[in-house]
Amino acid sequence: DTAVSQTPKYLVTQMGNDKSIKCEQNLGHDTMYWYKQDSKKFLKIMFSYNNKELIINETVPNRFSPKSPDKAHLNLHINSLELGDSAVYFCASSLQNTGPYEQYFGPGTRLTVT
Amino acid sequence: ILNVEQSPQSLHVQEGDSTNFTCSFPSSNFYALHWYRWETAKSPEALFVMTLNGDEKKKGRISATLNTKEGYSYLYIKGSQPEDSATYLCAAQYGNKLVFGAGTILRVKS
Repeated sequence: DTAVSQTPKYLVTQMGNDKSIKCEQNLGHDTMYWYKQDSKKFLKIMFSYNNKELIINETVPNRFSPKSPDKAHLNLHINSLELGDSAVYFCASSLQNTGPYEQYFGPGTRLTVT
Repeated sequence: ILNVEQSPQSLHVQEGDSTNFTCSFPSSNFYALHWYRWETAKSPEALFVMTLNGDEKKKGRISATLNTKEGYSYLYIKGSQPEDSATYLCAAQYGNKLVFGAGTILRVKS
């Protein structure tokens, strides 16, 4: 049983398009995250939701909009895609947002913008 | 800007060797230190989470220590095996946010 799943795994699209990446966790966790793996391979936090409420919103272009319909899902919508958006995006979840809780990661979505 | 640094960047060892990596982090407002193991084509998987100065955790042949006053953590692998080959990530937690290092790539040759 996959704990944190993401779809699609690969996404190739053209500049200017709008695309979404979906994430689901079946762990019963309250908190979910979106990370971007940058060109230097660092995982950088983009957003975090706790029980459908946005709690972390890093300096990310407005073209990126997270949506959490329920605490088991956190989707990432990206408008007007740019070449620089090409990266691997990881979803993660943790039991709660406060406390030293390990995060469980999804398999990643490799986005390529041409 | 918070920087978490890991060294070495990569490491090649022979099967049976013991090895260790370092994670350095700003100690101001520090809350917890996480270690993750990331195998190629898989997701990062949590190894340890530590909070207290002097904490030491162990899982099989892998152990980790934490020094919050000077801002560093060590990860040790005793008797490395080929299946230990992976990228080992550390992340320092500040509040509810994790700041990741770039990772140490370990390759164990049989």
